[in-house]
Amino acid sequence: GENVGLHLPTLSVQEGDNSIINCAYSNSASDYFIWYKQESGKGPQFIIDIRSNMDKRQGQRVTVLLNKTVKHLSLQIAATQPGDSAVYFCAENSPPGGKLIFGQGTELSVKP
Amino acid sequence: SQTIHQWPATLVQPVGSPLSLECTVEGTSNPNLYWYRQAAGRGLQLLFYSIGIDQISSEVPQNLSASRPQDRQFILSSKKLLLSDSGFYLCAWSLGRSSGANVLTFGAGSRLTVL
Repeated sequence: GENVGLHLPTLSVQEGDNSIINCAYSNSASDYFIWYKQESGKGPQFIIDIRSNMDKRQGQRVTVLLNKTVKHLSLQIAATQPGDSAVYFCAENSPPGGKLIFGQGTELSVKP
Repeated sequence: SQTIHQWPATLVQPVGSPLSLECTVEGTSNPNLYWYRQAAGRGLQLLFYSIGIDQISSEVPQNLSASRPQDRQFILSSKKLLLSDSGFYLCAWSLGRSSGANVLTFGAGSRLTVL
């Protein structure tokens, strides 16, 4: 279910380093996954997605990895910048209803 | 292109007062519409979702209600606000079910403080 009652875990990285944000999803039948970025006081924004028939997808400075065996999703951000500071949510699309289920979220803090 | 508008952006209301948050989507037809709530420093809680006019499902029992009087309009309401209703409310839309992948696009959010 949705992890809405827990405080967000935090990840602090140095500017220029790579960041890895992890997410464990709940439903082995989920067929589609999305990462969202939420800056303070704003709505979440789509970053990258991946279908369950893939295990890796790359975007600009971001890579999503999917391990269906252990129901694990990760977001890698290369050369992290101060503008990457935000809360990152993973979401899974669980058939047949098709509603997105959001993970707990991770707060990324980038130190200059 | 599609856009989503949500208002008001911020709202301070006394306990017991009514609430109305509005959300409209432009540039698409028959979208799925959603209301989420986010407490400070916490995750997203789905409150309501709608697949069509007057078709609304409630995810959690609460002091709030939702209505969809038009295809691209979604309203979140309360008759009497509680302190616990404070939070950041997010409206979102997605393409209808037949489209397959369910990417949500969020509005900018409405921050409600109940005093």
